[in-house]
Amino acid sequence: SQQGEEDPQALSIQEGENATMNCSYKTSINNLQWYRQNSGRGLVHLILIRSNEREKHSGRLRVTLDTSKKSSSLLITASRAADTASYFCATELNAGNMLTFGGGTRLMVKP
Amino acid sequence: ETGVTQTPRHLVMGMTNKKSLKCEQHLGHNAMYWYKQSAKKPLELMFVYSLEERVENNSVPSRFSPECPNSSHLFLHLHTLQPEDSALYLCASSQVARGHGYTFGSGTRLTVV
Repeated sequence: SQQGEEDPQALSIQEGENATMNCSYKTSINNLQWYRQNSGRGLVHLILIRSNEREKHSGRLRVTLDTSKKSSSLLITASRAADTASYFCATELNAGNMLTFGGGTRLMVKP
Repeated sequence: ETGVTQTPRHLVMGMTNKKSLKCEQHLGHNAMYWYKQSAKKPLELMFVYSLEERVENNSVPSRFSPECPNSSHLFLHLHTLQPEDSALYLCASSQVARGHGYTFGSGTRLTVV
């Protein structure tokens, strides 16, 4: 069964705007990760947030984690056309366990 | 180049053919994975090898057969596939329990005709 589910499935914004994507999951996790995928290519790891962390930043990316609500959000600030891609959340249930991916959010940033 | 190399990039095969997908990593990771990505579906975990031993096969049909001869190489042997097996097959590697995430290859786009 699918552990993570992203919302929205698709998002279209103008360059310079912020993009927010959400992820919900069902069971307790060790960590949650966000990945980016350009069309037809492999996934690129963006950021990992552990279950005892609430917020993490990396450049223009900000990730939050609310374990009480079993949800996470990815915020991309000051978006660029090059940010156009699909974004996936993935959960790791236990340290050393495999990742389970959600269905992804397709982000389009219009120049 | 991510450090995980997959070949071939594209593959077209008939339903009676036998082919193999190859994955190679030079990151010193101790786990390797095969994922299947079909249109409009989440990534599906197919196989996991940790320290060269298979630890998960996730009920994949026997027409898919993995092989991990060493910690740097992973193969997916294909035989008598069906058109619904057409998908992007992604290989990934990681260092288990390090918490740094997976490194993915660029994938093999497989079309079964």
